[in-house]
This record gives sequence, C-alpha cells and structure tokens, in this order.
Amino acid sequence: EDKVVQSPLSLVVHEGDTVTLNCSYEVTNFRSLLWYKQEKKAPTFLFMLTSSGIEKKSGRLSSILDKKELFSILNITATQTGDSAVYLCAVEEGTSGTYKYIFGTGTRLKVLA
Amino acid sequence: GAVVSQHPSWVICKSGTSVKIECRSLDFQATTMFWYRQFPKQSLMLMATSNEGSKATYEQGVEKDKFLINHASLTLSTLTVTSAHPEDSSFYICSARDWGGWATEAFFGQGTRLTVV
Repeated sequence: EDKVVQSPLSLVVHEGDTVTLNCSYEVTNFRSLLWYKQEKKAPTFLFMLTSSGIEKKSGRLSSILDKKELFSILNITATQTGDSAVYLCAVEEGTSGTYKYIFGTGTRLKVLA
Repeated sequence: GAVVSQHPSWVICKSGTSVKIECRSLDFQATTMFWYRQFPKQSLMLMATSNEGSKATYEQGVEKDKFLINHASLTLSTLTVTSAHPEDSSFYICSARDWGGWATEAFFGQGTRLTVV
C-alpha cells in the first residue's frame, strides 16, 4: 500500500531556532514530492522535488529529496512566529495519465516568540 | 501561480439535504481535479479524482452515490454531498493541476467547511 509518513507529528520551538521536518514514502510509481504549508485554510505550495540531491531553496526554507532512501527533508532556519503552521508532504504517483497525490499526516510546527 | 477557486467557503445545512461545492480553475484548464476531505488536525484524505468528460475515480471506502462528482468542463468540477448527515461535517478541499506535462504541482482551492446540523 502506498504511504507517506511525516515526522515529527508536532514540534514546538523558539524564534530563531532551526527545524528539520522529515518525510518518507513508499509508492509504486513515484513522480514527484511536494511540500505544502497549511495555516487556517487550504495548503499553499512550497516546493516540488523530482530529482535526488538537488536542494531547492526559498528564503529561509530549503528542501532536498533522496530517491534512493525514499525521503525528503524540509529545513526552516531562523524560525519566526509566522512559520507556525502544519507542513504537509505529498507524493505524486501514477502512470499512463492516471496520477494522484498521497499526503502525509503533516507536521504541526509552533514557533514561540 | 495558477488560481483555483472553491465555493462556498462555508455552508451549514440541515440533515438530509444535499450540498453542492464548486471548484473552478480560473486561469488554466484542468483535465484532472482532486477532491479531499480533512478532519480537524488530520491530513488531507483523497476522496476521488475527477476527470473531465468521464466518471470520477473514487478511493476505497468513499461512497460514490453519496459524494457525486461532476467534471463537466475543463475549468469546473462539482462535489455534491447527498443526504448529508452530521458525520459528513468536515473541511472539503479541491485541487487542480495545470496540465503542463511532467510533474507540475497541484493548486488548492480555499476549501469548504461543511457543517450538517
């Protein structure tokens, strides 16, 4: 059965700390791995990763994929209270025009002032 | 980025009535849209994949007669919760891909919070 597992489930840190969120997966036909940030409503897109070893970076956030070990990490440096959210990892899988996204349980991050 | 509009953002209905939720891709054509359900503090659970011009593909355990999906055009998919009951109260989110080829990201609608009383 295809699955996406995120850890930790929740995390509380102080402003300025660096956090690393983990996502491991087992899917039959991997196409890409995506990270989303969800605050009160719908998730907003952060990164999409398709190749191993290539870091994607956006400001204080960065992410990398290891397709051999089947995991990805999302790093947030110098955390701010505005980073408090649920971070979702999703894996796109499928073949022959039939694709879907499988989401992990999410990591709930709380950044204290 | 691409915009997906979902309507309504919240709805309260009486038990036994039906509710329709719309999902529109505003600036791109979406041959495929996805419908998710999310319970409090839980992740997104895929309910069904909606394909333009054909029947939706439902995930195991999702009642297709209860959650009717229609993808009548390349920019609109609808989810109708029929004969709603309090246990159907949840946050429903749609997403759509701009079918640009290999591995493009999905964009999400704003979500619909359904409360059945």
